Amino acid sequence: GQNIDQPTEMTATEGAIVQINCTYQTSGFNGLFWYQQHAGEAPTFLSYNVLDGLEEKGRFSSFLSRSKGYSYLLLKELQMKDSASYLCAVRDSNYQLIWGAGTKLIIKP
Amino acid sequence: DAMVIQNPRYQVTQFGKPVTLSCSQTLNHNVMYWYQQKSSQAPKLLFHYYDKDFNNEADTPDNFQSRRPNTSFCFLDIRSPGLGDAAMYLCATSRHTGTGNEKLFFGSGTQLSVL
Repeated sequence: GQNIDQPTEMTATEGAIVQINCTYQTSGFNGLFWYQQHAGEAPTFLSYNVLDGLEEKGRFSSFLSRSKGYSYLLLKELQMKDSASYLCAVRDSNYQLIWGAGTKLIIKP
Repeated sequence: DAMVIQNPRYQVTQFGKPVTLSCSQTLNHNVMYWYQQKSSQAPKLLFHYYDKDFNNEADTPDNFQSRRPNTSFCFLDIRSPGLGDAAMYLCATSRHTGTGNEKLFFGSGTQLSVL
């Protein structure tokens, strides 16, 4: 079966750095997405990786290793508004999106 | 400037009473999706439309139906809601390119409660 694993919950301090990991086992690979979802709201797109390496976008960066079936989302200079769930999703060989359950990130002052 | 609009934001229905959720888009995307998401769980794809072609997920209950009368609008009909159908229902759109990098644009969701 296809599977996406993420930690259920993480806690970090305002101003710090946090890394949210995602591992996947899917039937083929056509890219990996990270979405941010605030409580009670819809997911919003953060990043897309299809090649190995690090993609930086402001305070947020996303890394991919296809050989290891692994990605992480790195958030720097954490702000209180970054408190949200972060969803990892992989597009498989049939172009279906396989979603993780998300990592709830709690930011403390 | 909302691009994917869902109505209503909150919907309360009674056990067994049919309910319809609506979604509209101004992006002119050819693919529209309906997801069900329960608290702290991954979004679960119910069905999607590629233009007018309807694609039902194998494990979507018959209780859930959908209509897409035109490019801009899509509806989710729950014929006889049960307590287990209480969830956030997310509509999303994308432009199919066949390259894998098609990101989904989500509406704000409809939170359905079943009493």
